[in-house]
Amino acid sequence: SYELTQPPSVSVSPGQTASITCSGDKLGHKYACWYQLKPGQSPVLVIFQDTKRPSGIPERFSGSNSGDTATLTISGTQAMDEADYYCQAWDSSTDHYVFGTGTKVTVL
Amino acid sequence: QVQLVESGGGVVQPGRSLRLSCAASGFTFSNFDMHWVRQAPGKGLEWVALISYDGSYKYLADSVKGRFTISRDTSKNTVYLQMSSLRPEDTAVYYCAKELDASGGHYAMDGWGQGTTVTVSS
Repeated sequence: SYELTQPPSVSVSPGQTASITCSGDKLGHKYACWYQLKPGQSPVLVIFQDTKRPSGIPERFSGSNSGDTATLTISGTQAMDEADYYCQAWDSSTDHYVFGTGTKVTVL
Repeated sequence: QVQLVESGGGVVQPGRSLRLSCAASGFTFSNFDMHWVRQAPGKGLEWVALISYDGSYKYLADSVKGRFTISRDTSKNTVYLQMSSLRPEDTAVYYCAKELDASGGHYAMDGWGQGTTVTVSS
């Protein structure tokens, strides 16, 4: 089955840039998206189709996807960005949606 | 705006059944694929099931195939997850989610419910 791997944790200072990677076989050939999940809340889509931001998502969130790796970048990270982040892609060979393993972003 | 309200969660013994419901509003329900996603305690998100906008195709995760079924009632703007032969490892918060695009492509989920908790325990 298709797998997406993320680092368990990323730490960043306020105002700095956080980069979260998501690795999967030929992931660049698929569309990747990213969700933010805070404790006690429902997931929020922050990036879709590799690079697009839904309405209402701040510009500091951006995405890229090439080769085997998709990346979520948070520029000028704020305390409110502290959350778990999950990548996700559609695996057409199995007709399954796949989530990444998740990354906890800590703003120190 | 998109509203999804799940119900039907609870505590159930292993081997028993449970049906979850998700009432949708704020968008044209009949145009969009719908999903169920779960998160077990201390674990990550796991995609569970997808039903197409018209119910013509349904996909299930391997972990639930043969035990869970997904359905929808357009007249009630509601999607269901029928869960049978429940196991302790099915314990999770179950979210209903709306597919991003009405084109039939498989991209992302842009609307989520608040979740309903299912606990499988004797």
